[in-house]
Amino acid sequence: EVQLVESGGGLVQPGGSLRLSCSASGFTFSSYAMHWVRQAPGKGLEYVSAISSNGGSTYYADSVKGRFTISRDNSKNTLYLQMSSLRAEDTAVYYCVKGSSWFDPWGQGTLVTVSS
Amino acid sequence: QSALTQPASVSGSPGQSITISCTGTSSDVGGYNYVSWYQQHPGKAPKLMIYDVSNRPSGVSNRFSGSKSGNTASLTISGLQAEDEADYYCSSYTSSSPLYVFGTGTKVTVL
Repeated sequence: EVQLVESGGGLVQPGGSLRLSCSASGFTFSSYAMHWVRQAPGKGLEYVSAISSNGGSTYYADSVKGRFTISRDNSKNTLYLQMSSLRAEDTAVYYCVKGSSWFDPWGQGTLVTVSS
Repeated sequence: QSALTQPASVSGSPGQSITISCTGTSSDVGGYNYVSWYQQHPGKAPKLMIYDVSNRPSGVSNRFSGSKSGNTASLTISGLQAEDEADYYCSSYTSSSPLYVFGTGTKVTVL
């Protein structure tokens, strides 16, 4: 069974940093692009970032470019999202998703709250 | 990158059919057959319902179908059931960064 388990969320002050992790199992992690998608409380889905299967290419939404860094360790089947200079508007549930032209499955999400 | 446009809400009675639209541009929906649809119940993670415009993953009811015409994609739910009440999001590959864009979301209410 394909599983994605996010961790690392929590409460952080504005301007602070946080690193999210996503542990993958049940598929050949190194063969798939991976993505981060977020959802602010009561809001819709927002595409955040993507990384190619070998980590050689990365993509970011304008809203996080220059502040977030996506990476992966294929030897550990783990995806990361390093977030810095966090703002209140970054408060959201962050989902790790596997996919090419579609996203499936989704992890359970990890909540990041940016507040003083 | 602007979000794809969906109606805020759609409603129907049990047994009826409803259609949710997802309007983009020639740089996303109109340019590629990489439109997918997701169902999200409150407090739950999204679930893939349709991929590549009209394909249904294993395990998804055949009451769900997808199509596309020009820059607008559509999700049709036939034989509406109470369990279909949820939020629905479309997504498309886009030629501009960051590769994918989601729709604004549609709340489906079963009357």
